[in-house]
Amino acid sequence: GAGVSQSPSNKVTEKGKDVELRCDPISGHTALYWYRQSLGQGLEFLIYFQGNSAPDKSGLPSDRFSAERTGGSVSTLTIQRTQQEDSAVYLCASSFPSDRPNTGELFFGEGSRLTVL
Amino acid sequence: KQEVTQIPAALSVPEGENLVLNCSFTDSAIYNLQWFRQDPGKGLTSLLLIQSSQREQTSGRLNASLDKSSGRSTLYIAASQPGDSATYLCAVSAGANSKLTFGKGITLSVRP
Repeated sequence: GAGVSQSPSNKVTEKGKDVELRCDPISGHTALYWYRQSLGQGLEFLIYFQGNSAPDKSGLPSDRFSAERTGGSVSTLTIQRTQQEDSAVYLCASSFPSDRPNTGELFFGEGSRLTVL
Repeated sequence: KQEVTQIPAALSVPEGENLVLNCSFTDSAIYNLQWFRQDPGKGLTSLLLIQSSQREQTSGRLNASLDKSSGRSTLYIAASQPGDSATYLCAVSAGANSKLTFGKGITLSVRP
């Protein structure tokens, strides 16, 4: 597709349930990022992928959070045993390889809004 | 640890005014700086990207400048319009394809 695609756009779940959020980056973008935006807060970095590997996962808040990327393309962010404080908008972004002009320019999806009841 | 500050948090101006949005960062060793726009309930739209070797970038009515040594960037919006109302975020990265560190944004309201 033309842009970064995220699904679902909205997810309401009960506390304790597991959720999966999907990100489909722009074709050809090797770098992929997950961020979280909570109400009234700034964007919080979660994890960065280069290809299928994650050289920086320092932002994952707990071991309930995990992410994977397959085929250098689609990524899935999984939150196990969701808690109310996990409620936020989860944003995915991608960027070109480092040998391209404007390296590091991030393109964001519309986000997945997660509400944990 | 890099910190990015955007002050004020909100700004309201009459239509037609030229305005400047400020961004400051604590660690001058940045790779690039990016300005984004976010409309309510939406994702982020990239406005301008300035590499560390550059001083400014322009796109239409927008001009972003970078003073790396002083840890500052400004986004200049000429002849503001109601459609410019949104939250503007500034972010810096430490390296190619490194994570971005974001400010909390400035919510701009342009009154007709």
